[in-house]
Amino acid sequence: AQTVTQSQPEMSVQEAETVTLSCTYDTSESNYYLFWYKQPPSRQMILVIRQEAYKQQNATENRFSVNFQKAAKSFSLKISDSQLGDTAMYFCAFRSQGGSEKLVFGKGTKLTVNP
Amino acid sequence: DVKVTQSSRYLVKRTGEKVFLECVQDMDHENMFWYRQDPGLGLRLIYFSYDVKMKEKGDIPEGYSVSREKKERFSLILESASTNQTSMYLCASSRRGSGKGEQFFGPGTRLTVL
Repeated sequence: AQTVTQSQPEMSVQEAETVTLSCTYDTSESNYYLFWYKQPPSRQMILVIRQEAYKQQNATENRFSVNFQKAAKSFSLKISDSQLGDTAMYFCAFRSQGGSEKLVFGKGTKLTVNP
Repeated sequence: DVKVTQSSRYLVKRTGEKVFLECVQDMDHENMFWYRQDPGLGLRLIYFSYDVKMKEKGDIPEGYSVSREKKERFSLILESASTNQTSMYLCASSRRGSGKGEQFFGPGTRLTVL
């Protein structure tokens, strides 16, 4: 069974600085998806960024980018120019490309952006 | 925009009550999911459904059941609520076979069982 590990329960960063959230996963599959989801305080969970395992190029969405290391089974999220609105729980998630379409989540990292 | 709605944001029930949590999505998604979210444990899958009247157990199905009579609606049922079921419950949906693999989430129901 796949597992997803987020080793940083909590992190903080100063506004305008850069922060990196770590995620490692374990799978024997070669084709899969990886996601970072954001859950702001008392608000809905939303997708931040997605990576398909067959793509070597790291995904980027505005200030959010990933460092996908397939061999190391690592999928970190970098947030540049942090903003107060980035304060949230961040969850890393894994999904097989075939078979069951369920997500396997890490335990989350609580990120606080300080003014 | 995909919209996933849940019947209640906050719910307080008594031990032993039968509890229904409702989830509706408006994007004609085949897949629907119920998760439980607890601090330090992340999201854990309770049940999911990939079609009407179809269901599969997730990682923590004990004490829960589900119903999917219509494609847009997925209900989570606590047959006899217990205090250890106090939690945040999240519903999600996705399109089957989507190349993007993304799930869309509802706002969550915070359930307290007294």
